[in-house]
Amino acid sequence: AQTVTQSQPEMSVQEAETVTLSCTYDTSENNYYLFWYKQPPSRQMILVIRQEAYKQQNATENRFSVNFQKAAKSFSLKISDSQLGDTAMYFCAFMKHAGVRGNYQLIWGAGTKLIIKP
Amino acid sequence: GAVVSQHPSRVICKSGTSVKIECRSLDFQATTMFWYRQFPKQSLMLMATSNEGSKATYEQGVEKDKFLINHASLTLSTLTVTSAHPEDSSFYICSARAGTSGTEQFFGPGTRLTVL
Repeated sequence: AQTVTQSQPEMSVQEAETVTLSCTYDTSENNYYLFWYKQPPSRQMILVIRQEAYKQQNATENRFSVNFQKAAKSFSLKISDSQLGDTAMYFCAFMKHAGVRGNYQLIWGAGTKLIIKP
Repeated sequence: GAVVSQHPSRVICKSGTSVKIECRSLDFQATTMFWYRQFPKQSLMLMATSNEGSKATYEQGVEKDKFLINHASLTLSTLTVTSAHPEDSSFYICSARAGTSGTEQFFGPGTRLTVL
């Protein structure tokens, strides 16, 4: 069974600093997807970034980038130039490539509460 | 991006009554919808997966007679909490996946259920 571990329950940084959230996962699959989702106080879940396991290049989305280490099964999220609006719960999630009629279920980490201080 | 709505956003009901929560994909056809439950300060717990026109697949420990899921169309899934009790109070979130090969789940804004 797949598992996702986020070892940092809470982190706090000053505005404009860079912060890295860690995530490790366990799987025997070779094809899969990894995600970082953000859940702000509104509780609306928002996709931050996605990584396909077959791609060696790390995904980036503006100030958000990942460090994907497939052999180490590590998938950390770096937020550069952090902003007050980045304050949220961040969840790392794993999805097995399940095929055309597969279930595409997400396996979730426990989450990291990120606080950006002014 | 794709939009998923949930209705109602908040509901308060008396113990023993049933509550229906709707999840709609507004601008895409959702072949698969997922229902989650989230306890305070915790991660999402998958309750069930439903494919349009098929019976929902419930996760272990989730009572299918308690949490009725209907996915009658490609844009609507409903979760009915039957004979609700205070322990059913929680935040319920739906998500939807588009097409037959899409990997991204689009999330609804959630429904806060309070059972008195």
